[in-house]
Amino acid sequence: SQTIHQWPATLVQPVGSPLSLECTVEGTSNPNLYWYRQAAGRGLQLLFYSVGIGQISSEVPQNLSASRPQDRQFILSSKKLLLSDSGFYLCASGLAAYNEQFFGPGTRLTVL
Amino acid sequence: AQSVTQPDIHITVSEGASLELRCNYSYGATPYLFWYVQSPGQGLQLLLKYFSGDTLVQGIKGFEAEFKRSQSSFNLRKPSVHWSDAAEYFCAVVLTQGGSEKLVFGKGTKLTVNP
Repeated sequence: SQTIHQWPATLVQPVGSPLSLECTVEGTSNPNLYWYRQAAGRGLQLLFYSVGIGQISSEVPQNLSASRPQDRQFILSSKKLLLSDSGFYLCASGLAAYNEQFFGPGTRLTVL
Repeated sequence: AQSVTQPDIHITVSEGASLELRCNYSYGATPYLFWYVQSPGQGLQLLLKYFSGDTLVQGIKGFEAEFKRSQSSFNLRKPSVHWSDAAEYFCAVVLTQGGSEKLVFGKGTKLTVNP
């Protein structure tokens, strides 16, 4: 099975500061990669997904961006954080939407 | 619109009691359905999935779910709940949009288990 690593585990950032969250995957090649945000009582919101290196699809207009510089590396970024960016960010990997997605442990982001 | 609904935000059961978590979907074709579990502060783990065939699906940790097309439901069940089952449970459906498939989650049901 796949193993998903995410760091940092927790992050507290001031409004207007930049952001970089990293996700790496072990145990598979050429996976689909996903970034989700989870807010209390609102389930998981898909932010970005990638089917290959350099291929990024955005689901929700926002001030976040994603990049996939290597096959098993997925990065979530922002140039200037907003208060509304606070949440629990999850990276996931899967061979296709029809297959099981493996989730990382998540990053708790608090924007003050 | 294609979606998945979990009507119960929070459920409390006693240890040893039976459990049923509800999930309803809105989808024109035969859906691909999943149940995931999330322990506090952690990622999600797949419990079970339904693609086709037998409508009663067995999963890990003693969970099962039944697909009922007539009711557009995919409810999760467990005959006897353990304290370690306390977690948040998410139902999900594969959504086809714009030629691509994505996993869409319900808002989750938080399960509390009383001793």
